[in-house]
Amino acid sequence: DARVTQTPRDKVTEMGQEVTMRCQPILGHNTVFWYRQTMMQGLELLAYFRNRAPLDDSGMPKDRFSAEMPDATLATLKIQPSEPRDSAVYFCASGILSGRTIYGYTFGSGTRLTVV
Amino acid sequence: AQTVTQSQPEMSVQEAETVTLSCTYDTSESDYYLFWYKQPPSRQMILVIRQEAYKQQNATENRFSVNFQKAAKSFSLKISDSQLGDAAMYFCAYRSDNAGGTSYGKLTFGQGTILTVHP
Repeated sequence: DARVTQTPRDKVTEMGQEVTMRCQPILGHNTVFWYRQTMMQGLELLAYFRNRAPLDDSGMPKDRFSAEMPDATLATLKIQPSEPRDSAVYFCASGILSGRTIYGYTFGSGTRLTVV
Repeated sequence: AQTVTQSQPEMSVQEAETVTLSCTYDTSESDYYLFWYKQPPSRQMILVIRQEAYKQQNATENRFSVNFQKAAKSFSLKISDSQLGDAAMYFCAYRSDNAGGTSYGKLTFGQGTILTVHP
């Protein structure tokens, strides 16, 4: 089965450090999402791209977060500087968004970020 | 903005029994999709079942079925013959299909329901 690959699986970092999370979407998928999961807020959409163009990043703190798709096989989410409140599981998901598609999105296994 | 509400933070069921998880949503759109995702302790998000809003027939996937009530904006998940492997967090999700809207393709999740299966 095709998979969305996220790296690293777990990351522990010190407050103030830069963190980069990577995602390899499924080949042929034209839409990529970044979600953050916490106990308090549940699953929040941070940003998403269609055909590598950002569609919506209103859920992302712009002062410290940035999301990019340098090419169709790589999406990145960066936090600089990181803060303890950024501790969460970050999911990448990809899918096909075109007309009346019947497909759900495929999620990666997430990156668990701990900022100490 | 669309919202998804799961009113049951936790549910439990005996193995081999049937359980229903509730979900309601709020939208002014006519074209959308609804999903149920399962998240076991491994944290992987797994698609369980999907429903197109323009279809009246309820979706079914093996032991999983939904009761889609469009007018009531309700989308419940029924798990029949529950198995120990069904124990997980279940998320209901809404996806806009309004190509001209700012939320096109965006997946909005409910808060989740933790399902425990007792042997």
